[in-house]
Amino acid sequence: NAGVTQTPKFRILKIGQSMTLQCTQDMNHNYMYWYRQDPGMGLKLIYYSVGAGITDKGEVPNGYNVSRSTTEDFPLRLELAAPSQTSVYFCASSSGQGRELNTEAFFGQGTRLTVV
Amino acid sequence: GDSVTQMEGPVTLSEEAFLTINCTYTATGYPSLFWYVQYPGEGLQLLLKATKADDKGSNKGFEATYRKETTSFHLEKGSVQVSDSAVYFCALRRSGNQFYFGTGTSLTVIP
Repeated sequence: NAGVTQTPKFRILKIGQSMTLQCTQDMNHNYMYWYRQDPGMGLKLIYYSVGAGITDKGEVPNGYNVSRSTTEDFPLRLELAAPSQTSVYFCASSSGQGRELNTEAFFGQGTRLTVV
Repeated sequence: GDSVTQMEGPVTLSEEAFLTINCTYTATGYPSLFWYVQYPGEGLQLLLKATKADDKGSNKGFEATYRKETTSFHLEKGSVQVSDSAVYFCALRRSGNQFYFGTGTSLTVIP
């Protein structure tokens, strides 16, 4: 059971470059999330999705885009990388229906991104 | 709005010491409450959870009790080990939508 899988694990980008952080889950969860964690800080929500075709902004969405074409996948796109986007990015998923309305989130291992 | 306030760190303890990390929350209704642990270089892992008032979550010697009257979910362990060194996050979830995380508490246990 793979859970939540993120790729790549590490990446160095130059300013102005673009990239997509991949996230996939095999638990048939309808909720998926993207967070960033800056050094020594907590988690900040970038975007989330409550199901295929539905996405919404979190606390810090500027500079990012997402899509959710399938239940399994929730990629995060950085269009014009900036040094302020240097961070560790975590994808997470959770159930959210019926008796599992308030169950826990499952996290991926993270993508460590450096923009130089 | 919903929020979680967590004891600030860092916390440094000697091995076998007693641990308490305070967590209080603000939310209407009946949220579920969680403690997550993050080891260096890794993602967050669920440590324990409680879904209703007076529930006690427990795992790996850690415990936390959901106290609705004080809106608290403090994490405790009777005897910490070096391997418990990590960052601990308190979180809540209500009505199926977003999770609200505390800022995290870094724990270092020295031999």
